[in-house]
Amino acid sequence: KNEVEQSPQNLTAQEGEFITINCSYSVGISALHWLQQHPGGGIVSLFMLSSGKKKHGRLIATINIQEKHSSLHITASHPRDSAVYICAPTQSNFGNEKLTFGTGTRLTIIP
Amino acid sequence: EPEVTQTPSHQVTQMGQEVILRCVPISNHLYFYWYRQILGQKVEFLVSFYNNEISEKSEIFDDQFSVERPDGSNFTLKIRSTKLEDSAMYFCASSVYATNSPLHFGNGTRLTVT
Repeated sequence: KNEVEQSPQNLTAQEGEFITINCSYSVGISALHWLQQHPGGGIVSLFMLSSGKKKHGRLIATINIQEKHSSLHITASHPRDSAVYICAPTQSNFGNEKLTFGTGTRLTIIP
Repeated sequence: EPEVTQTPSHQVTQMGQEVILRCVPISNHLYFYWYRQILGQKVEFLVSFYNNEISEKSEIFDDQFSVERPDGSNFTLKIRSTKLEDSAMYFCASSVYATNSPLHFGNGTRLTVT
């Protein structure tokens, strides 16, 4: 069973700050997803990565497969970034299947 | 932008009743998934579906659950005899491929079992 730990559990920051959310998992994986869950409950996929680094706008995700660790960074944070961020690795050979979800990091950006 | 749609947004049912949660995945997607999130808890994988077959399922997905793609557009999750502990938000998702392809989630159906 893959244990997924995220830190911090809650993060409050001022607008413009650089944000880092960490994810560690216990079992070797084939891929890892970063997801954003809005206050209303909707889930948006941000990244899927199996190695290295991906960037999309102000968001950057990195993964170190050997260390079983991934990070999500947000540059120039904005109040609209306030949400719960969830990492979800998968051990399946198919990267979208059988995800194990972390408990999430609740991010609040204050104007 | 195309999106995954789920209906109803909220369903209330009595314990022991059957419920069907409906999803319309994005039209060119081939892989379909159901997840659930009990209030205050983590999202949990239930099942993945491809080519009219279940491709993976979790321990949660027991005999009271079934999935079906009855036509070319709908993807349904049926719970045969609901229990109080089935109360949760149920999310449908789809993707074009099983790998290297982003997941697209619906807005969820909140199921309340009384």
